[in-house]
Formats: sequence, C-alpha cells, structure tokens
Amino acid sequence: DAGVTQSPTHLIKTRGQQVTLRCSPKSGHDTVSWYQQALGQGPQFIFQYYEEEERQRGNFPDRFSGHQFPNYSSELNVNALLLGDSALYLCASFSYVNTEAFFGQGTRLTVV
Amino acid sequence: GQQVMQIPQYQHVQEGEDFTTYCNSSTTLSNIQWYKQRPGGHPVFLIQLVKSGEVKKQKRLTFQFGEAKKNSSLHITATQTTDVGTYFCAVRGAQKLVFGQGTRLTINP
Repeated sequence: DAGVTQSPTHLIKTRGQQVTLRCSPKSGHDTVSWYQQALGQGPQFIFQYYEEEERQRGNFPDRFSGHQFPNYSSELNVNALLLGDSALYLCASFSYVNTEAFFGQGTRLTVV
Repeated sequence: GQQVMQIPQYQHVQEGEDFTTYCNSSTTLSNIQWYKQRPGGHPVFLIQLVKSGEVKKQKRLTFQFGEAKKNSSLHITATQTTDVGTYFCAVRGAQKLVFGQGTRLTINP
C-alpha cells in the first residue's frame, strides 16, 4: 500500500519562474492538503482539495494555485516565484473517517 | 482561529534523560495532535487527544491534554538517539491542521 508520494523531491528555480509540484494521496484517501514549511518552522496550511474543488485556503497569495484530478491526485502551482518561496512543500492526505494526516516526503524548492 | 504555541524551541539532552515539550493555547482546543519529524523527513502522526484531562501512553512517550483543553504536553522517558527530531503539536480543524512552531530535540549519546 503506497503512502503519499510527491514529485519531484528537489527543485531549483529562478525568481519569476513558475513551478508545478505533484502529489498522489494514500490509497483510499480522497482529500489532499498542501503545506509550506520554511526552515525551522512548522508547516503552514496553503489549501485543501476535495472532490476536485478547493475547500479552504490559508493565508497565501493568488500566486499559489492548485488542482485536484478525478483520481484524487493533486498539483500545486506557484507563479512568479520569489526568494521567500524557498521551502519544503508537503502534501498530506486523509479521509474524513480517519483521524491522522499522512504526509508525503515533500518537495524541497529552492528559488535563486 | 485556533493557534498553538510550543515551548521550548530547542532542547538538548543526554541520552537517557527525560524530555518534555509543551503546547499552549489561549482558547479552548477541540483536539490536539502530535507529530514527529525526523531530520530531513516529513511529519509523522503520533497521536490525537480529544478529551479533557486525557492521558495516553506509547511505550516511553506520554501525552497529556489539559483539564481546560488549553494545553498539552509530550513527555519522553529515558530518551534514545532514535528520538531525535522535531516534535510538533497541531490542532485539526475541518479542513486543515494548524501547527505549533515545534520543539527540536537533539541528544548527546
């Protein structure tokens, strides 16, 4: 049973560029959330997708957008990258009947 | 919204010593979850507490939820090198987790 998988694991981008990160949830999970974790900080909620719709959004600008596909996988897109977007981006999945969130290994994004 | 503060930010102990991290809120929490993140890893769920005064144990780990549901603690007895990592408390809302800043535990073998 595969857990949450994310790709790529590492990425280096230049300021102003755009990036797409991908996530496949744990088998049986239909809800995907994205988090940004800056170095030395706790994960910060970006948004959550359920039934292919954004259900809730954290305090992130419109440069951050997402999508969920019919197979429950999800993408996180970030436009006009800033140096401050450098962070570990975590995808988490869960089903509403479960208590715990399962996190992927994350994508380490570096903006130079 | 519900927010949680964690202390201390860092803790260094000798192997075999005990370790405690605290999670505090100014408002009543509906639940509290604890996660562990190893260096270079991702958060891994440890436990959820929902009842006032609840105490749960997992081997050397003891989790408590305060009577007023405004604070929680994680206590590790006789730390081992495998306990190294950052411990986060988090509150689970309907659609999101709100994390504390975490307590980073390092251990001198």
